[in-house]
Amino acid sequence: NAGVTQTPKFRILKIGQSMTLQCTQDMNHNYMYWYRQDPGMGLKLIYYSVGAGITDKGEVPNGYNVSRSTTEDFPLRLELAAPSQTSVYFCASSSNEQFFGPGTRLTVL
Amino acid sequence: ILNVEQSPQSLHVQEGDSTNFTCSFPSSNFYALHWYRWETAKSPEALFVMTLNGDEKKKGRISATLNTKEGYSYLYIKGSQPEDSATYLCASINAGNNRKLIWGLGTSLAVNP
Repeated sequence: NAGVTQTPKFRILKIGQSMTLQCTQDMNHNYMYWYRQDPGMGLKLIYYSVGAGITDKGEVPNGYNVSRSTTEDFPLRLELAAPSQTSVYFCASSSNEQFFGPGTRLTVL
Repeated sequence: ILNVEQSPQSLHVQEGDSTNFTCSFPSSNFYALHWYRWETAKSPEALFVMTLNGDEKKKGRISATLNTKEGYSYLYIKGSQPEDSATYLCASINAGNNRKLIWGLGTSLAVNP
């Protein structure tokens, strides 16, 4: 099992650009999550999904969109990147405890 | 308590010391309490998932207890080693909340050799 994989690992965006952060899990988990982690702020939930075709907002959804067309994939879309979206992004999946991907470090300049 | 609170925020101990941290969480509508270990430049890894009042779990030198009635959990590390240096996160789940975790800010542990 590869577990939870995320791509890319690093990315620099210009203000106003768009990108998709990819997340895939091979554990057949129904629950998947996107978090952002800012220094001193802990993990903040952006979006989550309880199964294919079902998504819902977390604490900080503004500026992001998600889709869940399959059980395995849960991509996170940034439409108009802003400096406030500079962060480390973690994808996770769970059946009980959460399994985290390696993270994507995003910088918006 | 509406949020998950962890104390202390940071801790420095000597190799061989035993230590413990506290996690306070909302006790109403409790479903589960998670502990995670997060090493620098890595991803969080699950240590324990606890659901029952009075539950105790152990993994090597690390153990945890749970009191759901008063809303707290303790994490203990016996004989700390430098490789235990990490941030220890706890998170609670409320019933009917689609397994969304409410995360604490963590306790940062540094073990000096």
